[in-house]
Amino acid sequence: EIVMTQSPATLSVSPGERVTLSCRASQSIGDSLAWHQHKPGQAPRLLIYDASLRATGVPARFRGSGSGTQFTLTISGLQSEDFAIYYCQHYKKWPESFGQGTRLDIK
Amino acid sequence: EERLVQSGAAVRKPGNSLKISCATSGFSLTGYWVGWVRQRPGKDLEWVAFIYPRDSDVRYSPSFRSHVTLSVDRATDGATAFLQWNTLEASDTGIYYCARRKGSSWSGLIDLWGLGTQVIVSS
Repeated sequence: EIVMTQSPATLSVSPGERVTLSCRASQSIGDSLAWHQHKPGQAPRLLIYDASLRATGVPARFRGSGSGTQFTLTISGLQSEDFAIYYCQHYKKWPESFGQGTRLDIK
Repeated sequence: EERLVQSGAAVRKPGNSLKISCATSGFSLTGYWVGWVRQRPGKDLEWVAFIYPRDSDVRYSPSFRSHVTLSVDRATDGATAFLQWNTLEASDTGIYYCARRKGSSWSGLIDLWGLGTQVIVSS
């Protein structure tokens, strides 16, 4: 099974800042990587797929990049609604595993 | 609007049975699998199983294969998927998110999630 590792576990940032979240795969997954956003009390939401493509309705301040084993999610100009937990997930092959998540907190 | 509507929270004792549901609405089932992703307290998200509503083809994660059963009822305007336990264990406690998965049986992308069903198994 492919193991996904995210860092850091928690980030404390101020609105308006830019942040970069990292995700590493234990073996190459090409660009079969998604990022999901999860806010308390809400359904998780697909943000990025194929490593860099934004899902429908996702603002341009969210940018995904990377391929192979190293991936990043960059959020520019953080808005109050962006404070959430972000999970990376590969879908290279079954079973499709998730990272442990990065929590974005308001500083 | 495309939605996955899940059944409400459940509290059971170890050894009890349970069946939770996820109803699809607002989209065609063609090309989509529906299944569950579990999150135990303080643990990672993990796939449980998914099913192709068109033909009821099911894939189980190895960790869950002999412990749960996934089934589906199709309707004219969608489907309802069910996740069933015959014998619950305390370790089944967690939130079970219904997820729509686009792709094949060996590789697929989750592009829609439900709100989650909290399952508590405690004596």
